[in-house]
Amino acid sequence: SQELEQSPQSLIVQEGKNLTINCTSSKTLYGLYWYKQKYGEGLIFLMMLQKGGEEKSHEKITAKLDEKKQQSSLHITASQPSHAGIYLCGAAELIPDKLIFGTGTRLQVFP
Amino acid sequence: GAVVSQHPSRVICKSGTSVKIECRSLDFQATTMFWYRQFPKQSLMLMATSNEGSKATYEQGVEKDKFLINHASLTLSTLTVTSAHPEDSSFYICSARDRRDISGNTIYFGEGSWLTVV
Repeated sequence: SQELEQSPQSLIVQEGKNLTINCTSSKTLYGLYWYKQKYGEGLIFLMMLQKGGEEKSHEKITAKLDEKKQQSSLHITASQPSHAGIYLCGAAELIPDKLIFGTGTRLQVFP
Repeated sequence: GAVVSQHPSRVICKSGTSVKIECRSLDFQATTMFWYRQFPKQSLMLMATSNEGSKATYEQGVEKDKFLINHASLTLSTLTVTSAHPEDSSFYICSARDRRDISGNTIYFGEGSWLTVV
């Protein structure tokens, strides 16, 4: 079955710094989702990537999917305390139909 | 916008009793609904995938007799934790795939349900 590994597991950065979170799949990805969560709350949808080499941005967050569609990165520019939370990458499979998540990255941003 | 509603958001039950959590898509029909469990400081663990009118597909290691999933309609799926024990205490969250998107890429999440078994 497909596995998603995220790195780093946790990240503590100073406000204003840039950071990158990686998500690596054991299989070619059909679709890759990025979500943000505060533990014990719902998920906030960030972006969905599907094409090899695709890159999307929203405000200060950019996500990329590599050409082979097995690795994705999430980059935050000029981090702010509001960026703190758990970042999860999710991989969609069609057969069988499922959406599984990576191991998660806990981000803390201090002033 | 589309909303997935989970109810209850918090529930406390006695050990040995059963508790039901509802996942409802409010303004769309869902082809598939997914149920997850989240342990403290961990990611979401997929428990099962359910489709309307058919039996749920459980992930390896998830007891189907313990976690009963019923997908009665295109807008409602329920998770029943039977004979609950304190170790079942956790955060449970569902998601629903919007059938209006033929690519299958549109998936919405509920706000989750906290279960505490005492």
